Amino acid sequence: GENVEQHPSTLSVQEGDSAVIKCTYSDSASNYFPWYKQELGKGPQLIIDIRSNVGEKKDQRIAVTLNKTAKHFSLHITETQPEDSAVYFCSTGAAGNKLTFGGGTRVLVKP
Amino acid sequence: KAGVTQTPRYLIKTRGQQVTLSCSPISGHRSVSWYQQTPGQGLQFLFEYFSETQRNKGNFPGRFSGRQFSNSRSEMNVSTLELGDSALYLCASSLGGQGGQPQHFGDGTRLSIL
Repeated sequence: GENVEQHPSTLSVQEGDSAVIKCTYSDSASNYFPWYKQELGKGPQLIIDIRSNVGEKKDQRIAVTLNKTAKHFSLHITETQPEDSAVYFCSTGAAGNKLTFGGGTRVLVKP
Repeated sequence: KAGVTQTPRYLIKTRGQQVTLSCSPISGHRSVSWYQQTPGQGLQFLFEYFSETQRNKGNFPGRFSGRQFSNSRSEMNVSTLELGDSALYLCASSLGGQGGQPQHFGDGTRLSIL
């Protein structure tokens, strides 16, 4: 089955700096790559997603890049703010709506 | 538009009991998926229901089961509870097409087994 590896597991950045989270996956059939943000006591919130026919997607301060050949994708957050502090999960989907998640990255933005 | 609603938010049970969790999807969404979240295993897919039929299934024992009603609301049931079933159970809803559908999660039911 699919295996998704996510790095780093924790990330501490100064407010205003950029944060980058990287994921690799094993199943070449994966064609959908959503990212989720989970705050304490809440469920995961979809923040951005990308499909396999696109190499990059941007939404304000958040961008995702995908390299299907190398089977890796990354999340970039620019101009980080304290409210960006949370746990971030990458995930992959193939046919059907089953998502396979990475282990998560705890991001701490220091004011 | 109301989000995904899960009830109850917290539940305490003892070993051997059974439990039923409920999920109301976003209006118009026909697919409901269930996930288990634990510190050790992370987020793991349990199963997906679409049009009252189980469409996908993860690698969990048969003690974990679910169903979906005609209004798309879903329930999951865990029988003969074990200590290791303590987890946050999340449901996610989507429009329901095959693949690549944005899934929106509820805030989960925190299940503790004593």
